[in-house]
Amino acid sequence: DAGITQSPRYKITETGRQVTLMCHQTWSHSYMFWYRQDLGHGLRLIYYSAAADITDKGEVPDGYVVSRSKTENFPLTLESATRSQTSVYFCASRTGIYTEAFFGQGTRLTVV
Amino acid sequence: AQKITQTQPGMFVQEKEAVTLDCTYDTSDPSYGLFWYKQPSSGEMIFLIYQGSYDQQNATEGRYSLNFQKARKSANLVISASQLGDSAMYFCAIPYSGGSNYKLTFGKGTLLTVNP
Repeated sequence: DAGITQSPRYKITETGRQVTLMCHQTWSHSYMFWYRQDLGHGLRLIYYSAAADITDKGEVPDGYVVSRSKTENFPLTLESATRSQTSVYFCASRTGIYTEAFFGQGTRLTVV
Repeated sequence: AQKITQTQPGMFVQEKEAVTLDCTYDTSDPSYGLFWYKQPSSGEMIFLIYQGSYDQQNATEGRYSLNFQKARKSANLVISASQLGDSAMYFCAIPYSGGSNYKLTFGKGTLLTVNP
């Protein structure tokens, strides 16, 4: 199916473990983004990518790593998960600056 | 730097009435687009409406319309004839200023509750 999908939808992990959240889009959109959503903070940008092999930090990048070897995939890795990274994570993509961003369903991550 | 403010953490409206959700922003870009999203309790982010800064008319999409006042840097969302299904969190978003204007920054949202 066309669209943007995230996996897993739900994840519980332990402090200190590495975890990777996957994001796949079928439209070949150039721009992709990772946001985290926390109560009282809205959506905050973690990392973004303008194209394959081009990534950059957003507002809250500490503790996260991204890669984009293929246009359609944009995984987000928590190198050593902390409780403060408990959040809902959204992946998004868009074609240009005057078009809307399309969001994945979100991944609810709990770090215990 | 861009800034976006939604001053109403929560709003209540009676079913079938209209409601206005506020959004003010600050940007140094002369040309930009402004977006509104809906997030129901199920969690997905749903695009509602877009306004270009140089559009001559306020955007409308069905029951959604924008009260766009560029000089005041205000883009309020108006929902007419509210329905119970409109109960959700609503976010406005604008691009980051400067060369990274493909990134969107979001307000903190307004939680709308529609009462029967």
